[in-house]
Amino acid sequence: EIVLTQSPGTLSLSPGERATLSCRASQSISSTYLAWYQQKPGQGPRLLIYHTSSRATGIPDRFSGSGSGTDFTLTISRLEPEDFAVYYCQQYDSSPITFGGGTTVEIK
Amino acid sequence: QVQLQESGPGLVKPSQTLSLTCTVSGGSLSSGVYFWSWIRQYPGKGLEWIGNIYHSGATYYNPSLKSRLTVSVDTSENQFSLRLSSVTAADTAVYYCARVGAYGYCISTNCHAPFDLWGQGALVTVSS
Repeated sequence: EIVLTQSPGTLSLSPGERATLSCRASQSISSTYLAWYQQKPGQGPRLLIYHTSSRATGIPDRFSGSGSGTDFTLTISRLEPEDFAVYYCQQYDSSPITFGGGTTVEIK
Repeated sequence: QVQLQESGPGLVKPSQTLSLTCTVSGGSLSSGVYFWSWIRQYPGKGLEWIGNIYHSGATYYNPSLKSRLTVSVDTSENQFSLRLSSVTAADTAVYYCARVGAYGYCISTNCHAPFDLWGQGALVTVSS
């Protein structure tokens, strides 16, 4: 199975700053089948990015995804107060589907 | 808009069977476009995909759970369900139902698509 490792574990930033989150796969993910989710306390995850770089419906353009092979990145260009949350990457290239361990973006 | 809601017992004894139901509202589970999934999240926040089902009843399971798992669908009630047998404390988690297929594609319930809609989750604790 593909293991996804996210870094850093916690990112401490101020509103308005840029956030860069990393997701590294244990083997190459073909066809860019990687997604990013946002989760807030007491809620299910919300899909932000699919196919590495496509924004899901209703997701603001301050969220962007990039990468290929084994290295992927989620960038939040300017943090809004509602962006402080936990972010997960997920691969749906090969079975079983797997998730990264998450990155917490907290207010500095 | 479409919403998903999990329901079921919050406490299950070890060795017994965990049962949960996901009710789909605001849309039909039988639309044909979507597949339906169960995912769980451990207390330490790790997420694990459990399995997929199509409205026809076809399923696709995580191999690590396959021997204990049954996922079924009731199109008349617009629901799908999860049964996990012989549970232990390691099965304590928040269980989510989700929709898959809005982006990407599925072949025989093996989906190359993200989970585009999630329920709120149901906490299930396994304890005597």
